[in-house]
Amino acid sequence: ETGVTQSPTHLIKTRGQQVTLRCSSQSGHNTVSWYQQALGQGPQFIFQYYREEENGRGNFPPRFSGLQFPNYSSELNVNALELDDSALYLCASSLPVDRGTDGYTFGSGTRLTVV
Amino acid sequence: AQSVTQLGSHVSVSEGALVLLRCNYSSSVPPYLFWYVQYPNQGLQLLLKYTTGATLVKGINGFEAEFKKSETSFHLTKPSAHMSDAAEYFCAVTKYTGTASKLTFGTGTRLQVTL
Repeated sequence: ETGVTQSPTHLIKTRGQQVTLRCSSQSGHNTVSWYQQALGQGPQFIFQYYREEENGRGNFPPRFSGLQFPNYSSELNVNALELDDSALYLCASSLPVDRGTDGYTFGSGTRLTVV
Repeated sequence: AQSVTQLGSHVSVSEGALVLLRCNYSSSVPPYLFWYVQYPNQGLQLLLKYTTGATLVKGINGFEAEFKKSETSFHLTKPSAHMSDAAEYFCAVTKYTGTASKLTFGTGTRLQVTL
C-alpha cells in the first residue's frame, strides 16, 4: 500500500504571492489534515477535510484554504504569502474520523520558503 | 484545552544507554496519546499510541511508553540507544471535536546518541 505523497518537496516564493501544495492520501484513508511546522517547533494543526468538506480548523487566517477531491487527495492554498509562512507543511491522512484513535500517516512534507 | 509538555528540548545519551524522553499531558477527558519520530528532512513516523486498555504500550524500534494517569505522563523509553535513534521526537494528544480530530504536538525533544 502506498503512503502519503506530497508535492513539491521544496519551493521558494516571494512575499505576496500565492502557493498551492498537494497531497495524495494513503490508500483507504478518506480524512486529510494539514499541519504547519515552523523551524524548531512542533506541527500546528491548520485544518482537516473529510468527504470533501472542511470539518475542523486551527488558528490560521482565511488566506489558508484547502480542497479535498473525490479521490481523497487534497490541496493547501496560501494567499498573500508572508515571511512567517516559511515552514514545513505536512499532510496527514487517516481512517474515517473516529475520535482520532488511529494514528495518522504523514507525508514527508513540503518545505516552503518565502523571501 | 488539551496540551502536551515535553521536558527537555535536547537529550544526549551514549550508545547502549537508556533513553528516557518525558511527556506530560493536560486533558479534561481521557486522552489518546502518541509518540512520533522525525528524521532530518522527513515527515513524522508513528512510534506508538495509547488509546485504551493496557497502560504499557510497545512500539516500533524497541520503544515503549507507559500511560500514568495519576502523573498525567506518557514518557517514552528504550532500554538501549542506537545511533540510528538520533532524531526529533514529538509527543502528541488528539482531540475529537465531534466532527474532526486533530493532533496537538509538544515542542519536541531532539535525541543525540554518542559513541
